[in-house]
Amino acid sequence: GAVVSQHPSWVICKSGTSVKIECRSLDFQATTMFWYRQFPKQSLMLMATSNEGSKATYEQGVEKDKFLINHASLTLSTLTVTSAHPEDSSFYICSARGTANGELFFGEGSRLTVL
Amino acid sequence: AQSVAQPEDQVNVAEGNPLTVKCTYSVSGNPYLFWYVQYPNRGLQFLLKYITGDNLVKGSYGFEAEFNKSQTSFHLKKPSALVSDSALYFCAVRDISSMDSSYKLIFGSGTRLLVRP
Repeated sequence: GAVVSQHPSWVICKSGTSVKIECRSLDFQATTMFWYRQFPKQSLMLMATSNEGSKATYEQGVEKDKFLINHASLTLSTLTVTSAHPEDSSFYICSARGTANGELFFGEGSRLTVL
Repeated sequence: AQSVAQPEDQVNVAEGNPLTVKCTYSVSGNPYLFWYVQYPNRGLQFLLKYITGDNLVKGSYGFEAEFNKSQTSFHLKKPSALVSDSALYFCAVRDISSMDSSYKLIFGSGTRLLVRP
C-alpha cells in the first residue's frame, strides 16, 4: 500500500525556537495533504488542508502564522511550528490523499515536546 | 453538519471473546464511513470503509463493521479478540460540507480497546 513518511518522529526543542515537520508521500503523488494535532487521550483535530502549489486552508481557531504549512511539491508538505511554546507540545499527524479513489494514508506522527 | 460519536471511552474484553466498538453517525446525504486503529505513538492505520453496497464490510486483521442505516450506526466487530488488538480505535466520516472537503475526515473521540489474556 501507499506509504506516508513523517520526519522527525520525535523532537524536543526550547521555547521560542521553530520546528519543521516533514510529511512525504513515498510512492505516490499527493495533491492534498492534511495536518492533524492530537492531544493525549484525545481525538485528532484537523488543523489545515495543504494543497500543492497553493496556500493552505486552515480550520477555525488555528493560527496560520503560528503553524506555517508549505506544500511545494506533489510529494512533500511541511509544517513549521514557529516560536514554539510548551502548549504547542503535541502529537502531529499528517495524511495524504492518494490518486486512486482518493483514499487517505496517514503518517506515523511526530511528537513535539517544547521545554 | 457531519459528525460521529463513539459512546465508549474504553472497551474491555477477554482474549478469544467477540468484541464490538460502537460508532454512530450524523450526516446529510449518503455516509462515507471509516475505521482506523492507532497504536501508541504511531499514526493511524486504515481498517475498513463503507461507501456503498453490502452493509457488512470486511477489513484488515479480521475486523468487520456493519452499516445500519436505520440506527445510523457503523459498529466495529471481531469474532475473536486478540491481545494484540489492544489499541485506540477511531470511527470517521467524510466531511462533504465544504468545497475541497472530499477527503477530509471527521473523527470520533476514539475508543480504547483492552483485550486481556
